[in-house]
Amino acid sequence: KNEVEQSPQNLTAQEGEFITINCSYSVGISALHWLQQHPGGGIVSLFMLSSGKKKHGRLIATINIQEKHSSLHITASHPRDSAVYICAVRGGGYQKVTFGIGTKLQVIP
Amino acid sequence: NAGVTQTPKFQVLKTGQSMTLQCAQDMNHNSMYWYRQDPGMGLRLIYYSASEGTTDKGEVPNGYNVSRLNKREFSLRLESAAPSQTSVYFCASRAGMNTEAFFGQGTRLTVV
Repeated sequence: KNEVEQSPQNLTAQEGEFITINCSYSVGISALHWLQQHPGGGIVSLFMLSSGKKKHGRLIATINIQEKHSSLHITASHPRDSAVYICAVRGGGYQKVTFGIGTKLQVIP
Repeated sequence: NAGVTQTPKFQVLKTGQSMTLQCAQDMNHNSMYWYRQDPGMGLRLIYYSASEGTTDKGEVPNGYNVSRLNKREFSLRLESAAPSQTSVYFCASRAGMNTEAFFGQGTRLTVV
């Protein structure tokens, strides 16, 4: 079993839909990151969180430490949100970061 | 606002050739990292440098060497490229513990 599991692996949505991407992990962590990888390949950090909830524009990230689970929500989705969303957890030492495989999102106009 | 700059963006090598991937950051970050990204797998750490003057192995260091030339620059060298090293390589940096990471645009390397 991978230390970081994301679901779904692929997601197609209509513009305007509310989107949820899930991340479950099996190890103790100090922080969880959500990253966005654009079709051109560049990776951008969206959120870093260790508890509770964070919001940035139409993006919301939540984490439940007890359940070892995090969700990334996108409200009023737009075609420019089409990307791969990657969950990564940091734990087991300063440099130990484990990345999920990613969720490929396509938002159709 | 250059952030993290990687060169080259694309490279094709023949088996046995050598090359160096360059990475530079202009954010005065202490820590720098090299990752590889392969289909169906998450990013995997090759080497990292927690601070200027130090380097350490990550998960998949075999076949690679690194140099932290100064605080800005962290290079990755393939001494004798193998087809198994065909991948997309990302450099990243962060200021310190519990800070977000900034990534370069990636280098798509093909070894034939």
